[in-house]
Amino acid sequence: DTAVSQTPKYLVTQMGNDKSIKCEQNLGHDTMYWYKQDSKKFLKIMFSYNNKELIINETVPNRFSPKSPDKAHLNLHINSLELGDSAVYFCASSHTGQPQQETQYFGPGTRLLVL
Amino acid sequence: AQSVTQPDIHITVSEGASLELRCNYSYGATPYLFWYVQSPGQGLQLLLKYFSGDTLVQGIKGFEAEFKRSQSSFNLRKPSVHWSDAAEYFCAVGALYSGGGADGLTFGKGTHLIIQP
Repeated sequence: DTAVSQTPKYLVTQMGNDKSIKCEQNLGHDTMYWYKQDSKKFLKIMFSYNNKELIINETVPNRFSPKSPDKAHLNLHINSLELGDSAVYFCASSHTGQPQQETQYFGPGTRLLVL
Repeated sequence: AQSVTQPDIHITVSEGASLELRCNYSYGATPYLFWYVQSPGQGLQLLLKYFSGDTLVQGIKGFEAEFKRSQSSFNLRKPSVHWSDAAEYFCAVGALYSGGGADGLTFGKGTHLIIQP
């Protein structure tokens, strides 16, 4: 009955590989997000999607590409992984993306380690 | 651009004692403020939020926070902590980006709460 789920929970891979992280929400929300939490626990937004449109794209490398097949899913694809990509990636969702309804519900996180 | 400052990286509190975690924000308009908690190895759980109205907000697990516009603060409090409160606490501000549309949250760097027996 998980509201926001992510797979995999852990991901260990070599530099240069391409990997994807999947996110699904069953809350009926319109907006989904990806955040990156670095080794110092600092959380920073990477992307958000609203009705299949990318509406925030923070200054992240273009090796990162969000893909949303439908309103309930927002996957994160990473090309040519680098050591600095090692972090915890959190998916989140919110109802409409309007500030007055902006409670975001977070997934459990995907711990990525690039060797 | 908005920003959030949590001045205390670590705080140690004895079990049963009161707690206050500090949060200061910078934002040009009325902020939308949140406190999230992250237990070890877990995702983030919303404790409480302030959008408007009463400046004293009640949340889950016995937490409350007070919005003080004059001090640009949104401090989190609990009258008596339990060992299970040991976690990382994040203050966040939500705001409209200049292009409109959906908003991400801007987080502070977190405060690590340690509970002493």
